[in-house]
Amino acid sequence: GQQVMQIPQYQHVQEGEDFTTYCNSSTTLSNIQWYKQRPGGHPVFLIQLVKSGEVKKQKRLTFQFGEAKKNSSLHITATQTTDVGTYFCAGCDSSYKLIFGSGTRLLVRP
Amino acid sequence: DTGVSQDPRHKITKRGQNVTFRCDPISEHNRLYWYRQTLGQGPEFLTYFQNEAQLEKSRLLSDRFSAERPKGSFSTLEIQRTEQGDSAMYLCASSLWGTSGRGEETQYFGPGTRLLVL
Repeated sequence: GQQVMQIPQYQHVQEGEDFTTYCNSSTTLSNIQWYKQRPGGHPVFLIQLVKSGEVKKQKRLTFQFGEAKKNSSLHITATQTTDVGTYFCAGCDSSYKLIFGSGTRLLVRP
Repeated sequence: DTGVSQDPRHKITKRGQNVTFRCDPISEHNRLYWYRQTLGQGPEFLTYFQNEAQLEKSRLLSDRFSAERPKGSFSTLEIQRTEQGDSAMYLCASSLWGTSGRGEETQYFGPGTRLLVL
């Protein structure tokens, strides 16, 4: 079945450093969505990418969707302690249900 | 609060007991999804409804699991004869499907029900 892999599993950064998480799908995706989950919380929608090669920005967050629509990345510039959490990518399969990656847990040292 | 709500938020039960969880989606949303999340993993799809119709069930959903959405609004997920391996966070999400015509939908998650089977 369709799989979505995400790396790294963990990243521990000093506040102010950049952070990137990468997502790869075994199949072409109709779209990809990114979610953030704080410790003890539930996934909160961040953004959706639909077009091949699409790049979207939200303040310090930059999201990219690969040309082949099989990979994606999330880059955070100058991390802050409020960025702490686990970031999940989720690919939409042919029936538009979400296949989640295993997530990247971001820890930020103040 | 007009978001997705789930009840109860926590449930502790003994192995072999039955449990039922409820999800109330965002009111105008026609699709409702159930996911299960274990520690350190991403949510795994269990099943989803479009209005009252259950359109797909994951292989993860054994015969002990049943979900309903009788009037196309709230949904229940029942687990019969619980096992320790059922311990997880059960997440519900809802979305408004079909308005864009391109299958682009945002799923909004509820706070989840954390189940512990002793």
